[in-house]
Amino acid sequence: DQQVKQNSPSLSVQEGRISILNCDYTNSMFDYFLWYKKYPAEGPTFLISISSIKDKNEDGRFTVFLNKSAKHLSLHIVPSQPGDSAVYFCAARQNSGGSNYKLTFGKGTLLTVNP
Amino acid sequence: GAGVSQSPRYKVAKRGQDVALRCDPISGHVSLFWYQQALGQGPEFLTYFQNEAQLDKSGLPSDRFFAERPEGSVSTLKIQRTQQEDSAVYLCASSVTGGLIFYEQYFGPGTRLTVT
Repeated sequence: DQQVKQNSPSLSVQEGRISILNCDYTNSMFDYFLWYKKYPAEGPTFLISISSIKDKNEDGRFTVFLNKSAKHLSLHIVPSQPGDSAVYFCAARQNSGGSNYKLTFGKGTLLTVNP
Repeated sequence: GAGVSQSPRYKVAKRGQDVALRCDPISGHVSLFWYQQALGQGPEFLTYFQNEAQLDKSGLPSDRFFAERPEGSVSTLKIQRTQQEDSAVYLCASSVTGGLIFYEQYFGPGTRLTVT
């Protein structure tokens, strides 16, 4: 059973426009969420995170929004650049409890930014 | 600076062979993780070390999988009698802290294992 779901396998946007990547989760015990970016033949790299006590976190062109009641988060990239083309993974963990190290990942969304 | 490195980058094994995958974490990182990423899936947790202690091996798919980190630095993931379903990318990650607070995990490039 997928506890973290990224329902869009791929997304294509024009350079300069906004990219919105979505993620849903089913485990209400998750209280910390992360986005990772992955280029081909490389490992995932950390992009941005958000704690469940916040509803928004911003870092430059990247903003993550969290809607706890809907168990939904989204990553906004504005403006999108061709170098942003990669697979984006949503991940979640439970900060409280004994397994606070364990990340649960979605399947990823392939973002293509067209020049 | 030096990131997490893994070797080999690619491994082809015949069904039934044993394989060993190596991970060199970032120097000084206490925590080390192994993940398995099947084609079209996200990484799935296999096991976690804090220094040399393996604190969680709940994600290892079977007793054919074994991981160690004897000196609290380099780690090896061993798969015995490989099966076709073991074909995947095996990712290693390390993190600077362990215990109450966990910061982001830094991933290596992975080892792509193909079992024929």
